Amino acid sequence: DIKMTQSPSSMYASLGERVTITCKASQDINSYLSWFQQKPGKSPKTLIYRANRLVDGVPSRFSGSGSGQDYSLTISSLEYEDMGIYYCLQYDEFPTFGAGTKLELK
Amino acid sequence: DVQLQESGPGLVKPSQSLSLTCTVTGYSITSDYAWNWIRQFPGNKLEWMGYISYSGSTSYNPSLKSRISITRDTSKNQFFLQLNSVTTEDTATYYCARGDGFAYWGQGTLVTVSA
Repeated sequence: DIKMTQSPSSMYASLGERVTITCKASQDINSYLSWFQQKPGKSPKTLIYRANRLVDGVPSRFSGSGSGQDYSLTISSLEYEDMGIYYCLQYDEFPTFGAGTKLELK
Repeated sequence: DVQLQESGPGLVKPSQSLSLTCTVTGYSITSDYAWNWIRQFPGNKLEWMGYISYSGSTSYNPSLKSRISITRDTSKNQFFLQLNSVTTEDTATYYCARGDGFAYWGQGTLVTVSA
């Protein structure tokens, strides 16, 4: 299994702040990586796929980058509606998820 | 617009089988992509369970391989999950999702395994 190490596990940030969440895969995943946002009681909402491709309708303040084993999700200017839990998912081999990053307002 | 919706019993007894349906609208499951089942345990850990592809081939998480089956009804544009011999550890919210980077998810259905 490919292990996904996501960090940080939780963080506090201020409105307007730039936020970065990272995922490191235990092997090269060839950019087969997605990022999701989940709010309490809701299903995951995909933000990014293929490491850096923005899903239609997702605000442009979200961006993804990375290659090989190392990937990141950046929110350029945090808004209140961005609070939630963020997960990465690799789908190069059978899919595995990161443990999540809980993003809260400072 | 592509939409997925899970349905099925919310309560299953230990040792019985869990059966769920994912109904897809806005896209044919025989056109492209893998059609996945994922579950989220209490505490939020996510686990990919398996998929059925547009051609009908299947792939399963090795940890579930002896208990899981994913099938489909192309006439109804539905695919199904069956998980056998469930225990309380199978209590989770079950999601179906389309496999192009998992861009589309259903709303999820909570299944509790309890006597």
